[in-house]
Amino acid sequence: KQEVTQIPAALSVPEGENLVLNCSFTDSAIYNLQWFRQDPGKGLTSLLLIQSSQREQTSGRLNASLDKSSGRSTLYIAASQPGDSATYLCAVRPTSGTYKYIFGTGTRLKVLA
Amino acid sequence: EAGVAQSPRYKIIEKRQSVAFWCNPISGHATLYWYQQILGQGPKLLIQFQNNGVVDDSQLPKDRFSAERLKGVDSTLKIQPAKLEDSAVYLCASSLKFRQDTQYFGPGTRLTVL
Repeated sequence: KQEVTQIPAALSVPEGENLVLNCSFTDSAIYNLQWFRQDPGKGLTSLLLIQSSQREQTSGRLNASLDKSSGRSTLYIAASQPGDSATYLCAVRPTSGTYKYIFGTGTRLKVLA
Repeated sequence: EAGVAQSPRYKIIEKRQSVAFWCNPISGHATLYWYQQILGQGPKLLIQFQNNGVVDDSQLPKDRFSAERLKGVDSTLKIQPAKLEDSAVYLCASSLKFRQDTQYFGPGTRLTVL
């Protein structure tokens, strides 16, 4: 059974700092991995999608990497800003079963001005 | 383009009562998802529709939860009777077609069961 874990559960950093969020999964048989952002009282917004054949994806100040064999992904945020404060979730699409995402528990990020 | 709409945004009920949530996906989206997100956890898929047919409801507690998507557009999720552990945010999402990775999420309905 696929399990997705995110560490740390919460993180508080000063503005301008570079930071890394971690995601680990127990079964490497995945189609892809996706990072989402969730703001309080709002739904999820997709940030980056990495296919199983890819090593990383970049969008602006965000860079996500994937090491499928070790069951790990990281989300790197450069030059953090207060507007980056949110909960970040990673999710994997297993190759077995129906076509759905398994979500991690999330990392709650607070960027201090 | 209008996003995924959900109502109500908040609901407080007593245990053993019933409750219903409504979702209107993005126009033209064939696939609709209902997720349950308990505080401090990631979303868990309850049910997935392709048009008005069920693709996956393996994690739906069928003794108390039901969902329908009449005419392949709007969807309703019902809980009857509610339990304390049903307190959560219920998220609806839609995607243009089946097996598409991009899902658009609504704001969710926060349910509190007392």
